[in-house]
Amino acid sequence: EAGVVQSPRYKIIEKKQPVAFWCNPISGHNTLYWYRQNLGQGPELLIRYENEEAVDDSQLPKDRFSAERLKGVDSTLKIQPAELGDSAVYLCASSLGPAGAEQYFGPGTRLTVT
Amino acid sequence: QQQVKQSPQSLIVQKGGISIINCAYENTAFDYFPWYQQFPGKGPALLIAIRPDVSEKKEGRFTISFNKSAKQFSLHIMDSQPGDSATYFCAATRGSGGSNYKLTFGKGTLLTVNP
Repeated sequence: EAGVVQSPRYKIIEKKQPVAFWCNPISGHNTLYWYRQNLGQGPELLIRYENEEAVDDSQLPKDRFSAERLKGVDSTLKIQPAELGDSAVYLCASSLGPAGAEQYFGPGTRLTVT
Repeated sequence: QQQVKQSPQSLIVQKGGISIINCAYENTAFDYFPWYQQFPGKGPALLIAIRPDVSEKKEGRFTISFNKSAKQFSLHIMDSQPGDSATYFCAATRGSGGSNYKLTFGKGTLLTVNP
């Protein structure tokens, strides 16, 4: 079974530029999460989707971050414009629907903002 | 407010020794406690998890001990191997009956197992 797929793996951009990350969850997993992991820290949830619906986006900085999961499968996380403090690893995870708590993580996208 | 506190920040163990990592939580609504293992350049991988209806869970060389009254849980790695060298994260969430599956992570423990 294929795991969570993310791309790109690495991204270097200048501040004020836009950037987008893509995630394809494990087949059949209805719940998708985006986390941000700063260096030396644990992941922190940005947004959680149940199918197409964003059910928890309380930690998403909505002034510059946006996300979508149009068909309830793939998801895209966007930052516009990026700031120096956005440098981090952006992790996507997925799990079975509300009955399942086990979350499976992708390899992440390491973003460096210069 | 840090809801899950993890210690130590780093740990060095000799091959064959026991590695012990501790976590404490504050939210009594938490009822699912997973441990994740993360290698450099990789995403966290689920290692083992426990629910508060048991005090201990063992899978191979990995054991979780859980103390509900103290709101503490720990990971024990028996016969530690150099391949176990990684960063370990404890986490907590409401995993049953509720709509909130937000994992709250500890800050991680960098484990180094010397040959």
